[in-house]
Amino acid sequence: EAEVAQSPRYKITEKSQAVAFWCDPISGHATLYWYRQILGQGPELLVQFQDESVVDDSQLPKDRFSAERLKGVDSTLKIQPAELGDSAMYLCASTPRGGGALGQFFGPGTRLTVL
Amino acid sequence: EDQVTQSPEALRLQEGESSSLNCSYTVSGLRGLFWYRQDPGKGPEFLFTLYSAGEEKEKERLKATLTKKESFLHITAPKPEDSATYLCAVLDFGNEKLTFGTGTRLTIIP
Repeated sequence: EAEVAQSPRYKITEKSQAVAFWCDPISGHATLYWYRQILGQGPELLVQFQDESVVDDSQLPKDRFSAERLKGVDSTLKIQPAELGDSAMYLCASTPRGGGALGQFFGPGTRLTVL
Repeated sequence: EDQVTQSPEALRLQEGESSSLNCSYTVSGLRGLFWYRQDPGKGPEFLFTLYSAGEEKEKERLKATLTKKESFLHITAPKPEDSATYLCAVLDFGNEKLTFGTGTRLTIIP
């Protein structure tokens, strides 16, 4: 069964350091999403890609966060510098082109702890 | 702005004790309502999509229903392995952005 892959699964870093997360969506899925989930809350969208283009990054803190999907396949989310409040689960999801109504399929997530 | 409210925040049931979880939503135009299950430390797992009022879907001990203002996730004769957080989300026409509720944390006691 096709799955969304994410790495690393866990990351511990000190504040002011840089961190990067990687996501490989389900093969053939054109739309890729990055979400942040704080403990006890629902996921919140950070950025949405359609192929290699950003569709929505209105909730991405652009002073410290960046995201890219250079070849329209896998994607990287970076935080520099990390702050204590960035501690959260970072989730990647994907869906086929125009298939948002079919549901988004999530990866296992990266748990980030900033000390 | 789309809004999703889930209740209760937490629910503890005895094994075999049926109950329902509620998801109230406000959207300008509902394209789909989604239920996900999330186990601790893992990503959400897709359960159901509902598209229009009156629609129902079932999977094992779970049944999801939809009205114009809310959705219910009914759990019948639950087992301990049904313990998880259940998330509700809505998709609005005009974008591909899911808006999630904060979830209901369900615990089934053996």
